[in-house]
Amino acid sequence: GAGVSQSPRYKVAKRGQDVALRCDPISGHVSLFWYQQALGQGPEFLTYFQNEAQLDKSGLPSDRFFAERPEGSVSTLKIQRTQQEDSAVYLCASSLVSSRVNSPLHFGNGTRLTVT
Amino acid sequence: LAKTTQPISMDSYEGQEVNITCSHNNIATNDYITWYQQFPSQGPRFIIQGYKTKVTNEVASLFIPADRKSSTLSLPRVSLSDTAVYYCLVGVQGSQGNLIFGKGTKLSVKP
Repeated sequence: GAGVSQSPRYKVAKRGQDVALRCDPISGHVSLFWYQQALGQGPEFLTYFQNEAQLDKSGLPSDRFFAERPEGSVSTLKIQRTQQEDSAVYLCASSLVSSRVNSPLHFGNGTRLTVT
Repeated sequence: LAKTTQPISMDSYEGQEVNITCSHNNIATNDYITWYQQFPSQGPRFIIQGYKTKVTNEVASLFIPADRKSSTLSLPRVSLSDTAVYYCLVGVQGSQGNLIFGKGTKLSVKP
């Protein structure tokens, strides 16, 4: 029932490899967000979906980052040709509605990506 | 986008009341103020949200003055388990740029 689930919990990739990070939001949640959190820093916004539509991808750091949510539920964040600076925790959050009132964001525990 | 300023760190002792103030001088009319708590190796957790005056729930209180240029998160009688990073966010979810976390306030509660 539970909350937002992210997998894998940890991922080690060699520089240049492609990775795919999965997020299972809470069932019925309309909005889905991806954040990147570097060590000792606050989460930084990457992208936002409302159902299957990606409404904001202004935070994606480069064209190597790509996110999708094809059926409006599960989302995947893909990073191509990983670089060392991509090492971070990637957090996914979902919320019940998208409206002028801020529904609380429910976060998963993240995927810790280490690029060697 | 409304930026926020919070103290980098605070120390407290068990049983004390802790107040963390956040400055947001350019808050917009439609913006809400939301606070999150984050423990190591976990995602942030929603604590409280408000628009104006005072909001209280079972965990905390949020005080917002009339000009809304700042807000104060109040944690009554903290315990060791309240040691965490606290983030103040200002904005409207889903709007352009979405919600910005900043660096947060690292609260350390000592016995």
